[in-house]
Amino acid sequence: QVQLQETGPGLVKPSETLSLTCTVSGGSFTTYFWTWIRQPPGKGLECIGYIYYGGSTNYNPSLESRLTISVDTSKKQFSLQLTSVTAADTAVYYCARYDYRGNFFDYWGQGILVTVSS
Amino acid sequence: DIQMTQSPSSLSASVGDRVTITCRASQSVSIHVNWYQQKPGKAPKLLIHTASTLYSGVPSRFSGTGSGTDFTLTLSSLQPEDFATYHCQQSYITPWTFGQGTKVEIK
Repeated sequence: QVQLQETGPGLVKPSETLSLTCTVSGGSFTTYFWTWIRQPPGKGLECIGYIYYGGSTNYNPSLESRLTISVDTSKKQFSLQLTSVTAADTAVYYCARYDYRGNFFDYWGQGILVTVSS
Repeated sequence: DIQMTQSPSSLSASVGDRVTITCRASQSVSIHVNWYQQKPGKAPKLLIHTASTLYSGVPSRFSGTGSGTDFTLTLSSLQPEDFATYHCQQSYITPWTFGQGTKVEIK
């Protein structure tokens, strides 16, 4: 049974860095893209970016200048860092597994609400 | 980025109704569209991939059609557990993008 779990602070101050980690249990870690997706309150879903186990990444151009996604294969974890946050970055952040053979997201974490506020 | 536009944004329906949700892409995405169901406070769940393929374990009352720029998700007979928000997503080119969602409510 594949499970993903997001962890990190639920409150971040403006201009600071948002940091989240996703821990994967079950299944292979080496044959999928590991993705971050966010959903502002009452709004649609936005793909932030993904990483492959070998470290190659693909970022949403709208966030690329502030974004770093990294991976620790020994712990089956991948992480998100988003710098210089503003209130517009307030959202539920999900980690998800992307099956690149089928081209879909098949497993998701439960999501973590991150609020940017002083 | 490819923009995905869903219609309607919300609808009210009764148990047993046939419901159709449409999704239009701003450029051709071939058949690379997926549909997800999301309930309040929960993560989305995959229903349909590659426009029309039912994902494992999803009831057959869900179906999808389309190619190019126009896609539809149909629920043939709405069940109580189907009241939720539905999202389309294109996997043709990064950044992968979603529609704004269609909320299906009880009439």
